[in-house]
Amino acid sequence: GEDVEQSLFLSVREGDSSVINCTYTDSSSTYLYWYKQEPGAGLQLLTYIFSNMDMKQDQRLTVLLNKKDKHLSLRIADTQTGDSAIYFCAAQRGNQFYFGTGTSLTVIP
Amino acid sequence: EAGVAQSPRYKIIEKRQSVAFWCNPISGHATLYWYQQILGQGPKLLIQFQNNGVVDDSQLPKDRFSAERLKGVDSTLKIQPAKLEDSAVYLCASRVGPQAFFGQGTRLTVV
Repeated sequence: GEDVEQSLFLSVREGDSSVINCTYTDSSSTYLYWYKQEPGAGLQLLTYIFSNMDMKQDQRLTVLLNKKDKHLSLRIADTQTGDSAIYFCAAQRGNQFYFGTGTSLTVIP
Repeated sequence: EAGVAQSPRYKIIEKRQSVAFWCNPISGHATLYWYQQILGQGPKLLIQFQNNGVVDDSQLPKDRFSAERLKGVDSTLKIQPAKLEDSAVYLCASRVGPQAFFGQGTRLTVV
């Protein structure tokens, strides 16, 4: 299978940038994803990146991929209280998605 | 575009009882997944369908869990008999291309 690891907690002040990091083990992963999960809700697809890309930007979100180190990061610019949630990194290999344990982001007003 | 629909949202049952969950994927999505998410963990794949055929059920505890996908559209996941450790959120997802979309999940509590 695939191991996907994330740090468990991150706390930032409103207006600052948040950076959530993820590492994965399988270099043959074709796509890498970031999902957001709010309390009691399902997973919301935020963004994804193809494995041959280094960076993808979508409004306040920037995804950086270091394929050599198998490291993925999600930067949220101008973090708002509504960004407080659990963020899951996922790697796709074949038809399957492998998820990390999630990073709980707390935004302090 | 309507999202992935799941029901019920919540279910509380006693151990050894049976329970069923229902999923209606996004129209036209051939690939459907059931995931189990235990509190504090990431989702873990239970079963994957392509149309109405099973692609991967290697992690489905087949002694108690079963799933089907009728006519390649709706899907049901059943647990019989339930154990305490089955308490989790059961997420359904459907996929088109590289994008997988998740439903809100069914939170199962086994007491």
